[in-house]
Amino acid sequence: GAVVSQHPSRVICKSGTSVKIECRSLDFQATTMFWYRQFPKKSLMLMATSNEGSKATYEQGVEKDKFLINHASLTLSTLTVTSAHPEDSSFYICSAEDITGGTYEQYFGPGTRLTVT
Amino acid sequence: GESVGLHLPTLSVQEGDNSIINCAYSNSASDYFIWYKQESGKGPQFIIDIRSNMDKRQGQRVTVLLNKTVKHLSLQIAATQPGDSAVYFCAVPSGSARQLTFGSGTQLTVLP
Repeated sequence: GAVVSQHPSRVICKSGTSVKIECRSLDFQATTMFWYRQFPKKSLMLMATSNEGSKATYEQGVEKDKFLINHASLTLSTLTVTSAHPEDSSFYICSAEDITGGTYEQYFGPGTRLTVT
Repeated sequence: GESVGLHLPTLSVQEGDNSIINCAYSNSASDYFIWYKQESGKGPQFIIDIRSNMDKRQGQRVTVLLNKTVKHLSLQIAATQPGDSAVYFCAVPSGSARQLTFGSGTQLTVLP
């Protein structure tokens, strides 16, 4: 099956610094990737839709200048949390859409645990 | 927008028993539904899906039932095993990019 990786799996950073999270589709090309955040014992909340070669589409309430998304290739999307604060601590999960065969299936990465101290 | 929810936040079952996890949705135009399993500290894993032109679909030990009249779907797990312990989410794609809206999740605990 299709595999999506994320790096790093865990990161601890100091308040005020920026953190970059990578999402890669390993065995398929993805023109569309999605970024979610998940708080403990909560559901996944969509943050933004990452489109290869164009600007990301952000969900209401998500600050685009704080959560920078770049989708420069068909296999890589990055999420940069800028000037991170403790309230940004969360589990960030990406998914990539595989349209091979026209099924539009989404495959999820293993997630990145961000802790801001 | 789409609203998806689950009836029970937690479910405990004895090993070997069957499990039933429920989900309600609000948009009668939704045409595709997915169940995901998420183990602690990991990303969601696809379990099974169903399209709106079906009312039942079976996989290995899992069955999804769809009742479009009352906008309800359920996930049935047969002979529940300890490895089935996880949070289960239903999800519905919507929007131009088929963004997924997730339900609130049900924590399934399998008791020995």
